[in-house]
Amino acid sequence: RKEVEQDPGPFNVPEGATVAFNCTYSNSASQSFFWYRQDCRKEPKLLMSVYSSGNEDGRFTAQLNRASQYISLLIRDSKLSDSATYLCVVNLNKFYFGSGTKLNVKP
Amino acid sequence: DVKVTQSSRYLVKRTGEKVFLECVQDMDHENMFWYRQDPGLGLRLIYFSYDVKMKEKGDIPEGYSVSREKKERFSLILESASTNQTSMYLCASESLGGRWGEQYFGPGTRLTVT
Repeated sequence: RKEVEQDPGPFNVPEGATVAFNCTYSNSASQSFFWYRQDCRKEPKLLMSVYSSGNEDGRFTAQLNRASQYISLLIRDSKLSDSATYLCVVNLNKFYFGSGTKLNVKP
Repeated sequence: DVKVTQSSRYLVKRTGEKVFLECVQDMDHENMFWYRQDPGLGLRLIYFSYDVKMKEKGDIPEGYSVSREKKERFSLILESASTNQTSMYLCASESLGGRWGEQYFGPGTRLTVT
């Protein structure tokens, strides 16, 4: 059973749209959570941490639901430059990466 | 700016060869990691190191070994390469005092074993 599950997508959305991804994790003892972004043929980079109370960074909002064991990422007013694969990461003494959700933002 | 470099972007090796993948970081980070990334499986941790000469097994260490003789360098060794080790290999480093949850990745080495 995978520690982290994500819908691979792709999510194809027009510019300006709002899009949300979910990610579920299997171990309730998971300690911390993050979203990474990976552009095509590039290395992953930290996008944002996910706090229990939810957190926002510009157009991006991350939320954690410990009871249901999922985390979410909401992107408002999508830009072409948001096109990438978004990796959900769960920390359980070491990082467990999801396989990623691909987002394509179209003009 | 943190920089993590890997010795090769592309590598082709034959089954049974010994393969060395080198990773160097220039920011004095304590922690270093080796992952492999495969379609549908995401990044999986092979080995990590919290300090010089220290190493810990990740989730898929079989067929691999590592070496960390200097703080800035973390090497991944495939003792006898096999075709199922064809993959993208990513090295990462992390500072204990850095931004929470931030691992810095190298550009990756795409290894093909024939």
